[in-house]
Amino acid sequence: AQSVTQPDIHITVSEGASLELRCNYSYGATPYLFWYVQSPGQGLQLLLKYFSGDTLVQGIKGFEAEFKRSQSSFNLRKPSVHWSDAAEYFCAATPKDSNYQLIWGAGTKLIIKP
Amino acid sequence: NAGVTQTPKFRILKIGQSMTLQCTQDMNHNYMYWYRQDPGMGLKLIYYSVGAGITDKGEVPNGYNVSRSTTEDFPLRLELAAPSQTSVYFCASDNRGDEQFFGPGTRLTVL
Repeated sequence: AQSVTQPDIHITVSEGASLELRCNYSYGATPYLFWYVQSPGQGLQLLLKYFSGDTLVQGIKGFEAEFKRSQSSFNLRKPSVHWSDAAEYFCAATPKDSNYQLIWGAGTKLIIKP
Repeated sequence: NAGVTQTPKFRILKIGQSMTLQCTQDMNHNYMYWYRQDPGMGLKLIYYSVGAGITDKGEVPNGYNVSRSTTEDFPLRLELAAPSQTSVYFCASDNRGDEQFFGPGTRLTVL
């Protein structure tokens, strides 16, 4: 079955430290891939997306993600986190030949230590 | 341009009551979605629509109904509310496979 896995429920990092959030997908072919962020009490906002081409994707707020076909992964990174990055992060995927329904990971909650 | 708006923001229902969650988008998107988000879980798709007059079930449709009479509006109806429907509900819209735009959510409690 198609699925998206985010192995880390919570991650705690110090302000200014680097960040990597993991995402793995299980699909027959490479899907479209997305990262969304949800700040407390808010709806979700798109950080970045991968459809094809360059496997390193730049997004908003200084985030980037790298698609690795061999590992079925689409990990989100940021070189230096800020306290305002504290939020929940969701990875999602949709098959290219589908009706574009997104399959969502369970989310990773990012906690920033001062 | 308001994007996706949802009403109400909060609601408490008694078991067996019914209600409609409203969703409106002003981006002329054909695709609209209703999700529920339970604590510690990702989003689960309830229903979606690919255009006015066309709706289809998602992963967790039981206990819900939808309609899509216009491009802008996509209301979600809860009939006979149950405690299992306590959740945060999000409406979203997009243009076929591109970024989904989300509303602020409706927090529903069924007691």
